[in-house]
Amino acid sequence: NAGVTQTPKFRVLKTGQSMTLLCAQDMNHEYMYWYRQDPGMGLRLIHYSVGEGTTAKGEVPDGYNVSRLKKQNFLLGLESAAPSQTSVYFCASGRRQPQHFGDGTRLSIL
Amino acid sequence: AQSVTQLGSHVSVSEGALVLLRCNYSSSVPPYLFWYVQYPNQGLQLLLKYTSAATLVKGINGFEAEFKKSETSFHLTKPSAHMSDAAEYFCAVSVDEDNDMRFGAGTRLTVKP
Repeated sequence: NAGVTQTPKFRVLKTGQSMTLLCAQDMNHEYMYWYRQDPGMGLRLIHYSVGEGTTAKGEVPDGYNVSRLKKQNFLLGLESAAPSQTSVYFCASGRRQPQHFGDGTRLSIL
Repeated sequence: AQSVTQLGSHVSVSEGALVLLRCNYSSSVPPYLFWYVQYPNQGLQLLLKYTSAATLVKGINGFEAEFKKSETSFHLTKPSAHMSDAAEYFCAVSVDEDNDMRFGAGTRLTVKP
């Protein structure tokens, strides 16, 4: 009963470091999404994918890259972390709209 | 671009009382509307969605929402609050079902015994 699994759950980075967040879903969904959640701002879409090998920009894509090499995985990368990227990141999947969410990754950039 | 406004960042009700969480949308085309719930340290769960079928939409956990085009509203209601309803609720809008969903800032619901 995994659903959407995000790795890691917590991470602290220094400014300029890079890292990759992993999202895995076991529901065979075509659509996958990466959001960031900041206090008082709801969720904002970073990037999304409508199928294996496809990606598209969302509302706040700058500073992030994504890849969808396998249908079940959606990776979010930060090439050079900045303090403004301190946030809680959520991955979601669904047949069309985001229906199932992971439990989030809390990322702090110092 | 489409957007939603959730009126009231915090709502407090007594157990057994009516729950009313307000959402107003802005969209240049007929919208798709959604309500999500987020429990502490968890991701969002889809409560219900409006996709231009019936204007009164029933969701999980006894929640429902009514689409009112004339008021550009999609308020979430539940007749009788339960302690387990305490959570944060997000309204969202999109112009199609596929992507570009915009979320409101959220309303935190507290249920008092």
